[in-house]
Formats: sequence, C-alpha cells, structure tokens
Amino acid sequence: KQEVTQIPAALSVPEGENLVLNCSFTDSAIYNLQWFRQDPGKGLTSLLLIQSSQREQTSGRLNASLDKSSGRSTLYIAASQPGDSATYLCAVGTGGFKTIFGAGTRLFVKA
Amino acid sequence: EAGVTQFPSHSVIEKGQTVTLRCDPISGHDNLYWYRRVMGKEIKFLLHFVKESKQDESGMPNNRFLAERTGGTYSTLKVQPAELEDSGVYFCASSQGTVYGYTFGSGTRLTVV
Repeated sequence: KQEVTQIPAALSVPEGENLVLNCSFTDSAIYNLQWFRQDPGKGLTSLLLIQSSQREQTSGRLNASLDKSSGRSTLYIAASQPGDSATYLCAVGTGGFKTIFGAGTRLFVKA
Repeated sequence: EAGVTQFPSHSVIEKGQTVTLRCDPISGHDNLYWYRRVMGKEIKFLLHFVKESKQDESGMPNNRFLAERTGGTYSTLKVQPAELEDSGVYFCASSQGTVYGYTFGSGTRLTVV
C-alpha cells in the first residue's frame, strides 16, 4: 500500500530564504509525482508534474526532483516571498489512475 | 481553457438531509475524479470515472454516497442521508490521462450540523 509522507509538517522562514520541502513514498512503482499548492479556502493549484522517467522539473523559482529508487522527492523554492505562504502537497500517481496525497507542509514566509 | 468547476462552493446541511455536489471537468477530459479532505486528514481518493463509466470506486466510504456522470460530461456526488462525519472539502479533478497530471477544482466545503 502506497504511503506518502511530507516533512516538515510546518515551516516558517524569513523572506528571501531558499528552502526545501520533502516528500517520501513507500512504493517506487509510481506513474508520476505532482506538487500542488493550496491556499486557505481555495482549491489545489498544480505547481510541477514529474513523470516517472524524469528526474526533475523547473518552473520559475521552483524546482522539483524525483528519485524513485529511494522513494523521495524534494520541492526547492528559491528566494522565498510572503506570497509563497500556503500549504504544499505532494501527490503520487499510482497504477489505476489513483493519486495518493501527503498531509502537506504548511509554509509561512515572513516579510 | 476553462478549468474544473465545482458548485456549490459551500454547503451547510442538517444531519439526515441530502446534498448533491456537482463537478464540470475540463472539456475533453475523459477522466474525472472525486477526492475529499476531512478535518485534519490527508486528501483521500473517492472514485474515478472514465467517460460515464466508474473505473474505480474503492474510496467511496459507504452506500450513502452515490456518484454519477451522465453522458460522460459533468458529474454529481450525492450524499444521502448526510452524517456529521461527512463534513469536509470535496474536490473534483479531471485529466486527459496520467501523463498530464490532474487539474483540480476549487472544492465544495460541506458542513453537516
């Protein structure tokens, strides 16, 4: 049974700092891995999608890596801004089109 | 393109009542999914449609939940009768396939009192 764990559960950093969010999964047989952002009371916004054959994806100040063999993914945020404050969710796509979510990391960037 | 649309955005109902949530996927997306997040828990899979067919409904909690996707377009999720533990945020997502990942709607926040 696939399990997805995100560490840390919460993180508070000063503006401008680079940071890393971690995601681990127990079964390396994944189709893809997606990072989402959720703002309070809002839906999920897809940030980056990494296919199982890829090692990383980049979008602006965000970079996500994937290491299937070790069951890990990281989301790197460069030069954090207060507008980055949100909950970040890691989601693993498994066989049968089912996606398993982690509990998320709540990020607070202080101005 | 228009995104995934869900309504209502919020619903407050009494225990024992019936509520129907609606999801309009992105046009052309054959795959439609329902997920929910109850207080303090992870987002959990409920079910998956491919066009109008239920591909996987292993996440549906019990027979008080009924999902339909008539004609392979929009989908409804009915809860009847609603219980207190059904409170949470119900998300709908659609995709062309696993290669493209999911696009999520804004969710429906259901509160059963």
